[in-house]
Amino acid sequence: GAGVSQSPSNKVTEKGKDVELRCDPISGHTALYWYRQSLGQGLEFLIYFQGNSAPDKSGLPSDRFSAERTGGSVSTLTIQRTQQEDSAVYLCASSSVQFYRYFGPGTRLTVT
Amino acid sequence: AQRVTQPEKLLSVFKGAPVELKCNYSYSGSPELFWYVQYSRQRLQLLLRHISRESIKGFTADLNKGETSFHLKKPFAQEEDSAMYYCALTERRGSTLGRLYFGRGTQLTVWP
Repeated sequence: GAGVSQSPSNKVTEKGKDVELRCDPISGHTALYWYRQSLGQGLEFLIYFQGNSAPDKSGLPSDRFSAERTGGSVSTLTIQRTQQEDSAVYLCASSSVQFYRYFGPGTRLTVT
Repeated sequence: AQRVTQPEKLLSVFKGAPVELKCNYSYSGSPELFWYVQYSRQRLQLLLRHISRESIKGFTADLNKGETSFHLKKPFAQEEDSAMYYCALTERRGSTLGRLYFGRGTQLTVWP
């Protein structure tokens, strides 16, 4: 079956603009995670959804970052007023079985 | 606080040589430990988890609670093992799917 998909695969935006990143999890997966992968920083946890609620959003770096999930499926990560330090690969993962996470291919965000 | 430490950013070995990727963790509860691998231009994927005590692609990892380590080992490295390896930890909270804490990764290069 189809794995986790993310769109767009690449996004170049100007500093100060807002961006939306989309994640389509594997059908039926109740848990969804967002991570950020930057050079030298490894994988940074952003937020976790169980169904449509977010029991852990402690990793969001600032109030410019927000995420939502609707219908227990698609999730959107929104970054407002982007900054150059937001440049990274944003990874989404989903899970239905305890502890096993399937990762998407990521969205590479470049803020110029 | 950094929960997962991978002291080596880069590791190079020759084909056929043994390889050990180090991982140390800091957690007082009952953690679950994992190794994830990301081959060039591929998605991040689970390599193995400590609880299953299995060998995947010739790799093994033993959880040493006394030393709080979960080093990844392979007796004879192959060129196709070249990849980025991430050690990860999650909190065991019954059936709750918690966040994964990742180390910063070790880039393994296996020379022919």
